[in-house]
Amino acid sequence: SYVLTQPPSVSVAPGQTARMTCGGNNIGRKSVHWYQQKAGRAPVLVVYDDSVRPSGIPERFSGSASGNTATLTISRVEAGDEADYYCQVWDDGGDHRVFGGGTKLTVL
Amino acid sequence: QVQLQESGPGLVKPSETLSLTCTVSGGSISSYYWNWIRQPPGKGLEWIGYIYYSGSTNYNPSLKSRVNISVDTSKNQFSLKLSSVTAADTAVYYCARDLRYSSRGMDVWGQGTTVTVSS
Repeated sequence: SYVLTQPPSVSVAPGQTARMTCGGNNIGRKSVHWYQQKAGRAPVLVVYDDSVRPSGIPERFSGSASGNTATLTISRVEAGDEADYYCQVWDDGGDHRVFGGGTKLTVL
Repeated sequence: QVQLQESGPGLVKPSETLSLTCTVSGGSISSYYWNWIRQPPGKGLEWIGYIYYSGSTNYNPSLKSRVNISVDTSKNQFSLKLSSVTAADTAVYYCARDLRYSSRGMDVWGQGTTVTVSS
C-alpha cells in the first residue's frame, strides 16, 4: 500500500514562512490534498489537487508537488495557524484514500 | 451548505460491534463518495473506507475483515459497523465526502463522535 511520510513537527516564528513536506513514491504524479486540524476540531481542507485553495482559505496557504515530495507552504504565519497538518492522496493501487502521519505546526 | 452529523453510542464493550450513522443535510447523497475516518487519541487520521451512493464500497485492508459500510439514500444517511472491537478501536470517528479518485479532496466533514471501547 502507498505510504506518505510527514515530519512530526515544524516550528516557525510569527510572520515567517512555514514549509511542511509530505513524502511518497512519485507523489508528483498524484493529486495531493492538505488538511488543517486545530485542537479538538474536525479537519478542514486547505489545499486540494496539489495547489488549489478552496473558497475561504487565505492566499497565504499554497501547495506544490514534484518528484517524491509535496509541500504545503504558509506565508506570513499567524498564531491562529498553529495546528496539525495532514497530507492525503488517492492510492490507485486499491482505490484507497491514504493519509500521512501529520505534522504539528508550532508558532513560536 | 452540506453538513454531516455523526451519531451513535459513545461507549462500546470489547468484542461487540460499533455502529455509527452519518446524516447528510443540505444536499443530496447522490454522486459523491462517503468516507469514514478515525483518529485514536493523540494520533493521526486513519481512513476506514468509503461507500458510493450506488452502494459500492471499498475498505482499508487493515480493517476490511471487520468493517461494513452501508447507505440509505431514502434517509440521506450512511452507516459504519465495526465488529469485534478492542481498546485499539477507541477513537474519534469522522464522516466526510469526496469524489471519484478522491479528486478535490474531502471538502465536507462531520464534527466527529468519540467512541470508547471499554467494559
